[in-house]
Amino acid sequence: EPEVTQTPSHQVTQMGQEVILRCVPISNHLYFYWYRQILGQKVEFLVSFYNNEISEKSEIFDDQFSVERPDGSNFTLKIRSTKLEDSAMYFCASSYPYEQYFGPGTRLTVT
Amino acid sequence: GQSLEQPSEVTAVEGAIVQINCTYQTSGFYGLSWYQQHDGGAPTFLSYNALDGLEETGRFSSFLSRSDSYGYLLLQELQMKDSASYFCAVRSSFSGTYKYIFGTGTRLKVLA
Repeated sequence: EPEVTQTPSHQVTQMGQEVILRCVPISNHLYFYWYRQILGQKVEFLVSFYNNEISEKSEIFDDQFSVERPDGSNFTLKIRSTKLEDSAMYFCASSYPYEQYFGPGTRLTVT
Repeated sequence: GQSLEQPSEVTAVEGAIVQINCTYQTSGFYGLSWYQQHDGGAPTFLSYNALDGLEETGRFSSFLSRSDSYGYLLLQELQMKDSASYFCAVRSSFSGTYKYIFGTGTRLKVLA
């Protein structure tokens, strides 16, 4: 069964550093998403991506964040100058059209 | 703004039926999804309702009333493995693009 994969599973970084979280969506899916979940809280929408461009973004997704689909298979989330409050689980998801499949997540710890 | 409300916690016994409600306020409503998430795991898709009525998938059913901005997830013949958090999520659309807003989640505890 096809699945969404994410790397790394856990990333520890120092405040102010840049991180790149990587995702490989399911190959025939058209819509891609990034979410974050702070421990014990709800899943928060960050951004959706369709046809090689951002289609929607939340108020959380400010200039600190960017997404790319560099090579037609990978889908990345870059966080510039990380802050302590960026510590969370980051999930990538893909869908075609509405049934979203989530990856296992990357746990980001900012120290 | 957009908001979804769910009960924070529900407890039931094995074999019972439980209903998890979700009320929402949103613009550009397109559909309501339900996801299950076990501790430490990723959300997994359970169901999607775009039209009013009941959708049944095995032991799980989901209902939507667009006029009432309300939906629910019904879990039958509860099993211990159903202990998890359940999230409703609104799919909203503006000019053909989509985003999903998740509710705060309902933690279901199934007791033996």
